[in-house]
Amino acid sequence: NFMLTQPHSVSDSPGKTVTISCTRSSGNIASNYVQWFQQRPGSPPTTVIYEDNQRPSGVPDRFSGSIVSSSNSASLTISGLKTEDEADYYCQSYDSDGHVFGTGTKVTVL
Amino acid sequence: QVQLVESGGGVVQPGRSLRLSCAASGFIFSNYAMHWVRQAPGKGLEWVALISHDGTIKNYGGSLKGRFAISRDTSKNTLYLQMNSLRPEDSALYYCARARGTYSPGILYWGRGTLVAVSS
Repeated sequence: NFMLTQPHSVSDSPGKTVTISCTRSSGNIASNYVQWFQQRPGSPPTTVIYEDNQRPSGVPDRFSGSIVSSSNSASLTISGLKTEDEADYYCQSYDSDGHVFGTGTKVTVL
Repeated sequence: QVQLVESGGGVVQPGRSLRLSCAASGFIFSNYAMHWVRQAPGKGLEWVALISHDGTIKNYGGSLKGRFAISRDTSKNTLYLQMNSLRPEDSALYYCARARGTYSPGILYWGRGTLVAVSS
């Protein structure tokens, strides 16, 4: 099966923009939808992006998702960074063999 | 609103079995694929299994097939995970999750999890 690799951590100040990458090791990233999840300490994950770029109701439009075919990766962008965005973020995708989660990225708001 | 409530976790000896349950409400259970996902303490998310909306398709992560079995009971709106021959490395918080749609398997909703500890 394939792997999804994310940077271990990203950080920036409130109001700034951060982008988290999710690189697929084999197979075309655009062939299957990518989801993104936020997990705050001590809480279950919540979905912030589904089907590459769709936001569930209640998720602010500061969160956006995209596919970067040139690097076979997906990206999650958080703009206007807030202290409440400090959390772990995971990408997820799948193929005919099953589903895979990314390695996870810790977002720190300085 | 969508609710997923896991139960059945606990402390179990290596080699023993455990069955987890997930009670679903707030949506038409038979219309959605369902997942189990686990998270070992201090670690990342690991996909465990998926069952299609009608129960005909079942997929498992890594080497779990053969020890773990996912199933669903539409009459009870409940998802199950039968775990056999448990190992210490199976210790984790086990989450039930609902897919986005009938044929859209990406996860949209999560439960709060049930804790499994495999120890002698």
